[in-house]
Amino acid sequence: QKEVEQNSGPLSVPEGAIASLNCTYSDRVSQSFFWYRQYSGKSPELIMSIYSNGDKEDGRFTAQLNKASQYVSLLIRDSQPSDSATYLCAVNPGGAGSYQLTFGKGTKLSVIP
Amino acid sequence: SQTIHQWPATLVQPVGSPLSLECTVEGTSNPNLYWYRQAAGRGLQLLFYSVGIGQISSEVPQNLSASRPQDRQFILSSKKLLLSDSGFYLCAWSVKGDQPQHFGDGTRLSIL
Repeated sequence: QKEVEQNSGPLSVPEGAIASLNCTYSDRVSQSFFWYRQYSGKSPELIMSIYSNGDKEDGRFTAQLNKASQYVSLLIRDSQPSDSATYLCAVNPGGAGSYQLTFGKGTKLSVIP
Repeated sequence: SQTIHQWPATLVQPVGSPLSLECTVEGTSNPNLYWYRQAAGRGLQLLFYSVGIGQISSEVPQNLSASRPQDRQFILSSKKLLLSDSGFYLCAWSVKGDQPQHFGDGTRLSIL
């Protein structure tokens, strides 16, 4: 069974600090990885996609992928109170015929002013 | 650009009543379409997905059903709602291949 594991948190960081969110996955052949942000009562919003090993930066967000160790992480620099949300890791097992994402249960981040 | 519309935003229904939730996507053709449910404090549960008109795959056997009468329209239905059907229902779309899914605003369903 394909699994995506995240620490449920809550993860509390002070404003301006770096928030580090981690995710591990069980399916070794997984090809594509996504981070979603979900504010309380709202739907998930895509914030990062990563397909290759290494780092991918977009503004204050950096996604890191290590396929050999089967983990993907999200760093949020200069954390703001508006970043307080639940962050969902999602993994596509791979291949053009793979239509489904496996989601983790999410890590709740709280940025303290 | 692509947009996804989902309605209604909130719904309160009595036990045993029928359900119909609708989702439409604009700005793309032949998308993959998905229905998820998120129970309070829990993760996303995939209910149905569709890769084309009339093609529905069910992930969880239950009293819900889905239909795709048009390319960009996805409908979630039930003939008789149960208390356990309460939750946050989310429609999503993606293009083919290893691409992310994009979610609608969701419908919060409460069963009384």
